[in-house]
Amino acid sequence: AQKVTQAQTEISVVEKEDVTLDCVYETRDTTYYLFWYKQPPSGELVFLIRRNSFDEQNEISGRYSWNFQKSTSSFNFTITASQVVDSAVYFCALSERGGGATNKLIFGTGTLLAVQP
Amino acid sequence: NAGVTQTPKFQVLKTGQSMTLQCAQDMNHNSMYWYRQDPGMGLRLIYYSASEGTTDKGEVPNGYNVSRLNKREFSLRLESAAPSQTSVYFCASSEFPWTGEGTGELFFGEGSRLTVL
Repeated sequence: AQKVTQAQTEISVVEKEDVTLDCVYETRDTTYYLFWYKQPPSGELVFLIRRNSFDEQNEISGRYSWNFQKSTSSFNFTITASQVVDSAVYFCALSERGGGATNKLIFGTGTLLAVQP
Repeated sequence: NAGVTQTPKFQVLKTGQSMTLQCAQDMNHNSMYWYRQDPGMGLRLIYYSASEGTTDKGEVPNGYNVSRLNKREFSLRLESAAPSQTSVYFCASSEFPWTGEGTGELFFGEGSRLTVL
């Protein structure tokens, strides 16, 4: 069965600190996608990144970086030099190739990040 | 470009009342989804539709019905609302990523906040 675990319920940092959000997943499929979404206080869900199971290269986008390690089934998200605007709930999600002719995502429970000025 | 549009955005119901949440997407996506978001639970899949004419149960389908009216529209119906269905409901759509038709990213509506008294 597929599962996504985000063990950190809430994290509080001071602006300019680096912060890492953890994501551990379970799947029996060899082909899958991993996602991160951001949900700011306004409530919309914003897509951040997709990574497929065959691409373990780390990715960097500005202050954001992602570390995908199949050996530990983890897809961690790091924000460098955090800013108040980064305050949000962050969700990690998984979709499996074996999930049929669709791309339904299984979400973790989310991590609430609060960045204090 | 509207993307995914949900109506209504807010609704208050009494226990036992019925209502339908409407969702429409203008991105010509094949797949559509209904999720609910509850504090500490992340987003949980209620129902999904891989393509026009098909619907399937997700993790938490009890108490809900869906209709894929056409390729654009996917509605969620509560026949007899219960307080446990108080939640924020998100509709989403996507393409099928495994054959290169899209990124597999789910595009979400703004959410519908439902309160059942």
